[in-house]
Amino acid sequence: GAGVSQTPSNKVTEKGKYVELRCDPISGHTALYWYRQSLGQGPEFLIYFQGTGAADDSGLPNDRFFAVRPEGSVSTLKIQRTERGDSAVYLCASSPQGQVSGANVLTFGAGSRLTVL
Amino acid sequence: AQSVAQPEDQVNVAEGNPLTVKCTYSVSGNPYLFWYVQYPNRGLQFLLKYITGDNLVKGSYGFEAEFNKSQTSFHLKKPSALVSDSALYFCAVRDDRGFQKLVFGTGTRLLVSP
Repeated sequence: GAGVSQTPSNKVTEKGKYVELRCDPISGHTALYWYRQSLGQGPEFLIYFQGTGAADDSGLPNDRFFAVRPEGSVSTLKIQRTERGDSAVYLCASSPQGQVSGANVLTFGAGSRLTVL
Repeated sequence: AQSVAQPEDQVNVAEGNPLTVKCTYSVSGNPYLFWYVQYPNRGLQFLLKYITGDNLVKGSYGFEAEFNKSQTSFHLKKPSALVSDSALYFCAVRDDRGFQKLVFGTGTRLLVSP
């Protein structure tokens, strides 16, 4: 597509529920990133995919968080047993490649705002 | 580990005046530096980047940034501010040694008054 698409744009859930957030990257972009932005903070890295595999998941806060990208395109961020502290905007970004140069620009989606009551 | 500091939570400037938004960084290797802007309810938009070469880089909407290796800084500048420049600005850094994680600062809110 023309840009990075994230759905849903807003999600309100109750504590303890399971949530899935979807990201559809720019066509042909092999690298995909998930970030989390809490109120008043900068984006915080969660996980990076190169193709289908998670190349770096060091930012996932705990084992309630999991992400997949089974066909190397669309990615889903999954949060189990949600807590109020999970409330944030979850940002997805993609770039043409995630090679050694590291100079590639990330294009971000508009984000999915998650509110856990 | 990489880190970015944006020492100002907010910068106020009058329209037509020059603006500077400060950023300092820390990396193990050589830095790749980026500035992004965020408007309300919008995603982050890329403004400019420094990879190598000329220390002064020019980007979108008349913004530029100066890389200073000795001061480990990458301040964002614009000669003449517009009210429409009011937004949240983020500095970000990557290490050139292959680590793909892009680390962001906490952001600086720019308010341009008419």
